[in-house]
Amino acid sequence: QVQLVESGGGVVQPGRSLRLSCVASGFTFSNYAFHWVRQAPGKGLEWVALISYDGSHTSSADSVKGRFTISRDNSKNTLSLQMNSLRADDTSIYYCAREKQMPMIGTFGFDIWGLGAMVTVSS
Amino acid sequence: AIQLTQSPSSLSASVGDRVTITCRASQGISTALAWYQQKPGKAPNLLIYDASSLESGVPSRFSGSGSGTDFTLTISSLQPEDFATFYCQQFNDYPFTFGGGTKVEIK
Repeated sequence: QVQLVESGGGVVQPGRSLRLSCVASGFTFSNYAFHWVRQAPGKGLEWVALISYDGSHTSSADSVKGRFTISRDNSKNTLSLQMNSLRADDTSIYYCAREKQMPMIGTFGFDIWGLGAMVTVSS
Repeated sequence: AIQLTQSPSSLSASVGDRVTITCRASQGISTALAWYQQKPGKAPNLLIYDASSLESGVPSRFSGSGSGTDFTLTISSLQPEDFATFYCQQFNDYPFTFGGGTKVEIK
């Protein structure tokens, strides 16, 4: 069964750190690029970061640049998001998502999503 | 960053209605656009990629069109399970921005 399962969410004080993990199963993890997408309570979707299939390329949104780091361990089928200097406006559900694989270069969509991990930043 | 503007932000429709949602990009993005459906408490689900290609397993009543700056998602005959929020997303350039969403409610 193809699935992604996030973990590591919780309540954290402003300025502290948290690390999210996303474990993949049912497919060859190392063949795919992955993304993190977040959704604040009652709000829309916001793209956070991406990492290429081999970890050689990453990119992130300006809102998290310099604070969040995306990484992966292909030997453990695990995607991670290290979140530092957390702020109240980082409070969101964080989803990991698999990039749809296509025979041509480019990103076309996210075809598999995890259930999400809730991160609440509050004193 | 490329901005995506969806309209309307919400709509009320009846089962069997034809529904059209629009997504406008702040600059040309060719066909680098996807559409998602999200139901309450669930993760988004990919419906359309490359502006008009139907994702495997998605009912054929969903269709997408457009290129450049103007895109459309159409539901040909709205079904009870289609009531949800729909989002567009562009992949022409980083950051991969989403539209603000369109909530489709029961009339």
